[in-house]
Amino acid sequence: QKEVEQDPGPLSVPEGAIVSLNCTYSNSAFQYFMWYRQYSRKGPELLMYTYSSGNKEDGRFTAQVDKSSKYISLFIRDSQPSDSATYLCAMSLLQGAQKLVFGQGTRLTINP
Amino acid sequence: DAGVTQSPTHLIKTRGQHVTLRCSPISGHKSVSWYQQVLGQGPQFIFQYYEKEERGRGNFPDRFSARQFPNYSSELNVNALLLGDSALYLCASSLITNSGANVLTFGAGSRLTVL
Repeated sequence: QKEVEQDPGPLSVPEGAIVSLNCTYSNSAFQYFMWYRQYSRKGPELLMYTYSSGNKEDGRFTAQVDKSSKYISLFIRDSQPSDSATYLCAMSLLQGAQKLVFGQGTRLTINP
Repeated sequence: DAGVTQSPTHLIKTRGQHVTLRCSPISGHKSVSWYQQVLGQGPQFIFQYYEKEERGRGNFPDRFSARQFPNYSSELNVNALLLGDSALYLCASSLITNSGANVLTFGAGSRLTVL
């Protein structure tokens, strides 16, 4: 069993839809949770960073962490074609840890 | 400001050969990490270097090695290449501070194909 599970998709939705992306994990020691976006032929770029359980909002993006269920989510509101990319969840044990454990990535396409 | 730069961007090798990949971190960043991303998978941690010392190693064979230079740039070396080493190799740099997220910034990667 992988430490972090993420549905690889692909996921295709119409422009303007609300998108929900999810990851589950098995190691309860994970404390820091991240979402990265990766465009084709590019490196991952950080979208959201959260510590422990709770919600964090940044513009059209909301990250949720439920440590009791070992479940994290990323919501995208008013999705745009420019949001089409692969979304990777990642997590770490310690603050500032350079070793991140990534999910498989979900390929998302927003159709105009 | 230049981001994390990696070279070469693409390369093709044959089984048994050796490869060296290079990374220049963001100016001021002293920590460099290397990740392997196989097609269709998430990145997997290989190494972290900070102040020229190895600070972390993932579950990779000894064929993989790395080093960091006084200017904080880094090299990843892979010996005796196998077909399964075909992947995108990502370098990431970060500040190391006593507080804050110490966010990793990734380069665009070096795509290695082993034939």
